[in-house]
Amino acid sequence: QSALTQPPSASGSLGQSVTISCTGSSSDVGRFGYVSWYQQHPGKAPKHLMYYVSQRPSGVPDRFSGSRSGNTAFLTVSGLQAEDEGDYYCSSYADTDIWVFGGGTKVTVL
Amino acid sequence: QVQLVQSGAEVKKPGASVRVSCKASGYPFTGRYIHWVRQAPGQGLEWMGRIIPVTGATIYPQSLQDRVTLTSDLSISTAYMDLSRLRSDDTAIYYCATDGGNHDFDDWGHGTLVTVSA
Repeated sequence: QSALTQPPSASGSLGQSVTISCTGSSSDVGRFGYVSWYQQHPGKAPKHLMYYVSQRPSGVPDRFSGSRSGNTAFLTVSGLQAEDEGDYYCSSYADTDIWVFGGGTKVTVL
Repeated sequence: QVQLVQSGAEVKKPGASVRVSCKASGYPFTGRYIHWVRQAPGQGLEWMGRIIPVTGATIYPQSLQDRVTLTSDLSISTAYMDLSRLRSDDTAIYYCATDGGNHDFDDWGHGTLVTVSA
């Protein structure tokens, strides 16, 4: 199973929005609604941001939103804040009962 | 609150094996699955497998299935990841993470650095 494809970097100004894509296939993102997103700051463990494509765990601000179109999922961060800077990873459940990750996107807040 | 406390850093020689533990608290241990995920230095996340503690059922990616073994001990709410025939490219931070049934990774351990070096 191939990894999901994410852009290596994305950026946005303070207060603006940034959207990260996560492209898979009909065997993972396009087939199942089990797409999740994670935020990771340097030296820290990943933090759960989104599940079931667009559901936020409790405590995650509503500035974070998720969506999906075909084989591609999206994470949008609105009202960018300095603490949103970090690495973002998508994941999907896939055929044959496995999980795959995207390569990660480094978000810079300008 | 959920806490996953992992064992300490390890340094191993190529060809050796390593065991990383993950002690869970703050929730019924049998109520969630446990995944293992690793991250090589400067690299992304790689899924290593999942165990269902109450049954011991496991699933692994094809790339690791001949070298990784996941187990759990219900009596002490602890999951284990064993990796054999270590190579230098196994050098990574190894994380355990829970899955409450949403096919995702909701709570994460702090990570365990495993260094493989001659």
